[in-house]
Amino acid sequence: GAVVSQHPSWVICKSGTSVKIECRSLDFQATTMFWYRQFPKQSLMLMATSNEGSKATYEQGVEKDKFLINHASLTLSTLTVTSAHPEDSSFYICSARRKLASHPPYNEQFFGPGTRLTVL
Amino acid sequence: AQSVTQLDSQVPVFEEAPVELRCNYSSSVSVYLFWYVQYPNQGLQLLLKYLSGSTLVESINGFEAEFNKSQTSFHLRKPSVHISDTAEYFCAVSPSLPGGGNKLTFGTGTQLKVEL
Repeated sequence: GAVVSQHPSWVICKSGTSVKIECRSLDFQATTMFWYRQFPKQSLMLMATSNEGSKATYEQGVEKDKFLINHASLTLSTLTVTSAHPEDSSFYICSARRKLASHPPYNEQFFGPGTRLTVL
Repeated sequence: AQSVTQLDSQVPVFEEAPVELRCNYSSSVSVYLFWYVQYPNQGLQLLLKYLSGSTLVESINGFEAEFNKSQTSFHLRKPSVHISDTAEYFCAVSPSLPGGGNKLTFGTGTQLKVEL
């Protein structure tokens, strides 16, 4: 259990276009989903946290109008890179945290396989 | 704020040899500590975690890590590696806030390459 998928696994687009990446929790409900960005040889950087039914919380330095996040259901969050440019090329990873009845000291994040975005 | 340092970007090792992947962290608050593994074309998987209690934690596939508060370290070890252990390993920390929150801060990763 606790499988998270991402679609597409890779995408190539032209500069100026928008790209949507989906993150789905396949076998559990996720109240919270996270979006990360990973550059080669660098760590995962948290971009934003999204809670189902509410606006995403963006980390400092992340443009919310550039990276639109929607978390419309308990199993789906989407990241749209608007007006993409070559510097947006990166590996985007999502994770999801289960909806739990109790509040354990730590609620594990389950990660998707990532989406490779290349902007030409 | 937290930061995580993984000094070794790559660690080559022969099969059946021991290995240690180093992780040091910095934080002004108490933290939980994690090791994640990423196999090619797959998502990150939690390998082991330290939340509280015994400072030595183990995974089901023979890895162990020890939380050393004085040295702010959480090194990952395995006494005998297998070719299937070849993967990227990420160390991460999260503030131990009551009620969750639990944002993860990752290190840059260490590529473990096991050779025959």
